[in-house]
Amino acid sequence: RKEVEQDPGPFNVPEGATVAFNCTYSNSASQSFFWYRQDCRKEPKLLMSVYSSGNEDGRFTAQLNRASQYISLLIRDSKLSDSATYLCVVVDRGSTLGRLYFGRGTQLTVWP
Amino acid sequence: DAGVIQSPRHEVTEMGQEVTLRCKPISGHDYLFWYRQTMMRGLELLIYFNNNVPIDDSGMPEDRFSAKMPNASFSTLKIQPSEPRDSAVYFCASSSPVTPLHFGNGTRLTVT
Repeated sequence: RKEVEQDPGPFNVPEGATVAFNCTYSNSASQSFFWYRQDCRKEPKLLMSVYSSGNEDGRFTAQLNRASQYISLLIRDSKLSDSATYLCVVVDRGSTLGRLYFGRGTQLTVWP
Repeated sequence: DAGVIQSPRHEVTEMGQEVTLRCKPISGHDYLFWYRQTMMRGLELLIYFNNNVPIDDSGMPEDRFSAKMPNASFSTLKIQPSEPRDSAVYFCASSSPVTPLHFGNGTRLTVT
């Protein structure tokens, strides 16, 4: 079983829609969680960290469910510029920095 | 800050040739990572360094791959001899214990 699993999509939604992605992880001792965004033919860039209590950054909301071992990303009022691949990242406990595991990514296309 | 700098951006070479990819991490970051990304396998960690010392090279595919970090501002990933299955985008990333992972623009390698 892979350490981190994501629905690859693609998700195709109209502008203004709300869309949610989930990501499950296998190691219950995982320590930190992030969402990265990757545009076509570009490098991944940090979108937001995921905190235990859930957190918002504008139209983006991230949540963590430790009991069920998944994290989610909700995008409200989708914009054309949100079209990208969204990668979830899980960091294991046990070392100074930890071992990072990337999901395969979920592809989102927002159409006008 | 210029961010993580990788060179070359693109590399096309013939099977059997030696390939050297270069990376300059963000100043002050003491962790450096080499990743490979393909459509089939997603982002894979090849090796990472802490304070110029290799910590985990379990992701290096085989002896044809080697990585060095002679000082805090420079790292290389070498493939010798290269094979068509090595074709991928190779990303270098750096971080510190208190900063998230920052990726370079990547090197797109094509081995014919």
